[in-house]
Amino acid sequence: AQRVTQPEKLLSVFKGAPVELKCNYSYSGSPELFWYVQYSRQRLQLLLRHISRESIKGFTADLNKGETSFHLKKPFAQEEDSAMYYCALNNYGQNFVFGPGTRLSVLP
Amino acid sequence: SAVISQKPSRDICQRGTSLTIQCQVDSQVTMMFWYRQQPGQSLTLIATANQGSEATYESGFVIDKFPISRPNLTFSTLTVSNMSPEDSSIYLCSGSAQVRNEQFFGPGTRLTVL
Repeated sequence: AQRVTQPEKLLSVFKGAPVELKCNYSYSGSPELFWYVQYSRQRLQLLLRHISRESIKGFTADLNKGETSFHLKKPFAQEEDSAMYYCALNNYGQNFVFGPGTRLSVLP
Repeated sequence: SAVISQKPSRDICQRGTSLTIQCQVDSQVTMMFWYRQQPGQSLTLIATANQGSEATYESGFVIDKFPISRPNLTFSTLTVSNMSPEDSSIYLCSGSAQVRNEQFFGPGTRLTVL
């Protein structure tokens, strides 16, 4: 069965510090991985997807098939990065499976 | 991209009643989905809304409790039937242009059942 895990429910870092939000998945094939973000009082929105291999708002994520991970990283956190982050897996057109989410709090 | 609207944005309902949530997309999407997000928890897929046919429900969700309609490519409804306090949650509608593309989400409907 497909599953997405995010081990940290809450992650607090200071402004300017590096941040890494962990995501691991279980899937037998080659899934497509996404990171979604939900800022306070806003709707859920796509942050980035692994096939794009791009940096959005300074965030990057690399798919590691050997470790079945898709960790989200940013070298210097900003206060406006504080939000709820969800890792999601799309399994070849079936549907999306979302992780439990990690709340990132960037402290001044 | 697609802009998705939902109404109502929130409602407080009595036990035993039903509520229908509407979802409107500003452009045609291939796939439409309904999710539930309970307090402090992640999103759980309820069903995929299929145009002109019965929705495809995930394990744990049944049509009698959550009837879904999708009469055209840009509109869908979800009804939460015979509500109980355990149905209190945020219900989210989403759509995607293609099967493996990103999903665009509505703002959600916050339901409280007394």
